[in-house]
Amino acid sequence: KAGVTQTPRYLIKTRGQQVTLSCSPISGHRSVSWYQQTPGQGLQFLFEYFSETQRNKGNFPGRFSGRQFSNSRSEMNVSTLELGDSALYLCASSLDSAPTDTQYFGPGTRLTVL
Amino acid sequence: AQSVAQPEDQVNVAEGNPLTVKCTYSVSGNPYLFWYVQYPNRGLQFLLKYITGDNLVKGSYGFEAEFNKSQTSFHLKKPSALVSDSALYFCAVRDGYNFNKFYFGSGTKLNVKP
Repeated sequence: KAGVTQTPRYLIKTRGQQVTLSCSPISGHRSVSWYQQTPGQGLQFLFEYFSETQRNKGNFPGRFSGRQFSNSRSEMNVSTLELGDSALYLCASSLDSAPTDTQYFGPGTRLTVL
Repeated sequence: AQSVAQPEDQVNVAEGNPLTVKCTYSVSGNPYLFWYVQYPNRGLQFLLKYITGDNLVKGSYGFEAEFNKSQTSFHLKKPSALVSDSALYFCAVRDGYNFNKFYFGSGTKLNVKP
C-alpha cells in the first residue's frame, strides 16, 4: 500500500501571499490530521478531518484552514503568510478517528516564508 | 490537562549499549500511547503503541516500551543501540475523552556513538 503523500515537498513564498498544501492519505483511511513542526514549538496540532467534516481544531488563527474531499484527500490553506509560518507541515492519516487508531505520517511540506 | 512530557532533550549512548528514552503522560481517561521516530527532513514513522493488555509492547526495529500505570510512564527501550537509531523520538498520547486528540511530547534526540 502506498503511504501518505504530500505535495509539494518544498515551497518558498513571500509575506502576504497564500499557500495551499495537499495531502493524499493511505488508501482506505478516512481521517486526516495536519500538524505544524518548528524547532521552537515542536509538533503542534492544526486540525483533523473525518469524512469531509472538521472534527478537531488546534489553537491556530483563522488564516489556517483546511478541507477534505470525498476521496479523503485533504488540503490546507494558509492566507496572508507571516515569517513565523515557516515550518514543516505534516499530514497524517488514520483508518478512522478512534482513540486506538495509529496515525501514519507523510514526509511533510517544508514551507519557507521570506 | 492532557499532556506528554519527555524530560530529556537529548540522550547519548554508545553503540551496543541499551537505550532508554523517557516519557510520562497525563490524560483524563484511558491512555492510548504511541512512539514515533523522525529522521532528518522526514515525516514521523510509527514504532509502537500501547492500547491495553501486556505492559511490555514490542515494536519495529527491535524497540519496545513499558507501560507503567502507577508512574504514568511509557519509556521506550532497546537492548542494543545501533548508530542508525540516531534520530528524534516522539512520545504521543491519544485522549479518548477529548475527541481523540493526539498530544505529542517535545521530542528527544537520540545520539548513538560508534
